[in-house]
Amino acid sequence: AQKVTQAQTEISVVEKEDVTLDCVYETRDTTYYLFWYKQPPSGELVFLIRRNSFDEQNEISGRYSWNFQKSTSSFNFTITASQVVDSAVYFCALRRVGGGSNYKLTFGKGTLLTVNP
Amino acid sequence: NAGVTQTPKFQVLKTGQSMTLQCAQDMNHNSMYWYRQDPGMGLRLIYYSASEGTTDKGEVPNGYNVSRLNKREFSLRLESAAPSQTSVYFCASSVAPGTSGGYEQYFGPGTRLTVT
Repeated sequence: AQKVTQAQTEISVVEKEDVTLDCVYETRDTTYYLFWYKQPPSGELVFLIRRNSFDEQNEISGRYSWNFQKSTSSFNFTITASQVVDSAVYFCALRRVGGGSNYKLTFGKGTLLTVNP
Repeated sequence: NAGVTQTPKFQVLKTGQSMTLQCAQDMNHNSMYWYRQDPGMGLRLIYYSASEGTTDKGEVPNGYNVSRLNKREFSLRLESAAPSQTSVYFCASSVAPGTSGGYEQYFGPGTRLTVT
């Protein structure tokens, strides 16, 4: 069975602080995909990034960066110089490779990030 | 492109009533999904459709039915609504696995359903 754990239920920071959101996953598969989604207060789910398990290169996109460590089954997300607009619930998700029942995204329960001015 | 659209945005039902949630996507995606989101539970898959003409159960299918009307549209039906079905419902779509850029799912804005 697959499982995604986001141990931080809520995080509160002051604007311009750096913040890291943790994601730990469990899977027996050797290849898989990991994702981060953002859900702002308006409610929609916004896709942020996909990471393939066979590519351990870390990725940076503006103020966002992702640290994938297969050895510790973690896929952490860091926001540098946080802004009020970053306030949202962030979900980490895992998906098996292939079709059939593998279509399912397994989501963590989410981390509510509040960035205060 | 509108992406994934859902109607209605909000709905209140009485126990025992039925309704259909509509979803459409204009991204030419093969696969479509229905999730529900409950506080503290994350998102859970109700049903999915890998391609036009096929549907399969997800984690929590009881009390729901789906129809993949064509490649664009995927509807979710509650035949006899129960208070336990009070939730936010999201539709999503993706290209088929194996296709370049596939696997990530794109979500609609959600339908907030209350069953009293």
